Amino acid sequence: AQKITQTQPGMFVQEKEAVTLDCTYDTSDPSYGLFWYKQPSSGEMIFLIYQGSYDQQNATEGRYSLNFQKARKSANLVISASQLGDSAMYFCAMRGVNTGGFKTIFGAGTRLFVKA
Amino acid sequence: EPEVTQTPSHQVTQMGQEVILRCVPISNHLYFYWYRQILGQKVEFLVSFYNNEISEKSEIFDDQFSVERPDGSNFTLKIRSTKLEDSAMYFCASSVGQAANSYNSPLHFGNGTRLTVT
Repeated sequence: AQKITQTQPGMFVQEKEAVTLDCTYDTSDPSYGLFWYKQPSSGEMIFLIYQGSYDQQNATEGRYSLNFQKARKSANLVISASQLGDSAMYFCAMRGVNTGGFKTIFGAGTRLFVKA
Repeated sequence: EPEVTQTPSHQVTQMGQEVILRCVPISNHLYFYWYRQILGQKVEFLVSFYNNEISEKSEIFDDQFSVERPDGSNFTLKIRSTKLEDSAMYFCASSVGQAANSYNSPLHFGNGTRLTVT
């Protein structure tokens, strides 16, 4: 079975500093994709970044980067130069090529608070 | 940029009533999904839909739920007899592909329908 674990229910970061949101996963799929989504207080789900299990390099998208450690089954999100608008809920998610079937599964989320 | 649209944004209904939540996925996407999120909690998979049929469903998606793609653009979720515990945010999502090597397709979510069952 697939599982996503986010152990930090809440995180605080000072504006302009970097923050790392943790995500570990478990899967028996040989190939899989890992995703991060942002959910602001307004409620919408916004796709941030993707990492494939066979990608050699860590994914980056602007201020977002993914620290992917396959042997440890971790896919942590790093946000550099935090902004007040980064305050939101962040979800790690995964879909596998076989056992994941047609569904993407989500972790419990981490709520990030950016302080001015 | 194309987006997934959902209507209504908020639906209030009485227990036992039927509700239909509507979604228009992104036009060139092939795979459609419904997820739900009980307030402040995890995003839970309900069902996926491809080629006019359900491709996978969760244990939450029991006989009270059904999905339909009545025309070329709309995708609906029906709850036949709502219960108090059905109160949640319901998200529609779509993705481009789900072939064996396209597990990299991110979900594109609508803004959700907040369902309140009283």
